[in-house]
Amino acid sequence: DTGVSQDPRHKITKRGQNVTFRCDPISEHNRLYWYRQTLGQGPEFLTYFQNEAQLEKSRLLSDRFSAERPKGSFSTLEIQRTEQGDSAMYLCASSSKATTEAFFGQGTRLTVV
Amino acid sequence: GENVEQHPSTLSVQEGDSAVIKCTYSDSASNYFPWYKQELGKGPQLIIDIRSNVGEKKDQRIAVTLNKTAKHFSLHITETQPEDSAVYFCAASSQPGGSYIPTFGRGTSLIVHP
Repeated sequence: DTGVSQDPRHKITKRGQNVTFRCDPISEHNRLYWYRQTLGQGPEFLTYFQNEAQLEKSRLLSDRFSAERPKGSFSTLEIQRTEQGDSAMYLCASSSKATTEAFFGQGTRLTVV
Repeated sequence: GENVEQHPSTLSVQEGDSAVIKCTYSDSASNYFPWYKQELGKGPQLIIDIRSNVGEKKDQRIAVTLNKTAKHFSLHITETQPEDSAVYFCAASSQPGGSYIPTFGRGTSLIVHP
């Protein structure tokens, strides 16, 4: 297993377009987290899954954002009608039920022009 | 919710010197404190962590201390090397419902001059 994988690594989109990111967690990790990171800031929590259930959502996650983890394995994060303020690095992390350590992927850098 | 403050925002040291990064947290229920290192263009990498039942933990040149009473914890790097240059983040989390969702500080940019 090579760790948490995110795709794509970079995405440039025009304002108003929809984008979707994918995260493949470490095998057998049942917990999956999405974070957003802007330049010079720490990662900010967006949402959390345990298996396929979305258990927590941040107030940062507006109605334009939706996340799924349909089979409890990979997850997708969709942003509808993108705005320039959505430009950021979107990070995915996973952890197992047995431990508390969260391991991050390389992130998807979104630029909205 | 949890609030994590981290200082300094930038730290510049000479190779071989020690570096110390300090964090405070607000939620007394927090019981897990990881530290992450992030290099340019990469995701954060876990480098060390400490749980609330331990006051200090060491791994080679890196150590972390925790003062639960004062709600602060620190990262100590000894004998710094140029490859230690990166942004370091502290985080705090508790286990409501088993989620352990980390709340991060704003980061410290460590620059080690050769």
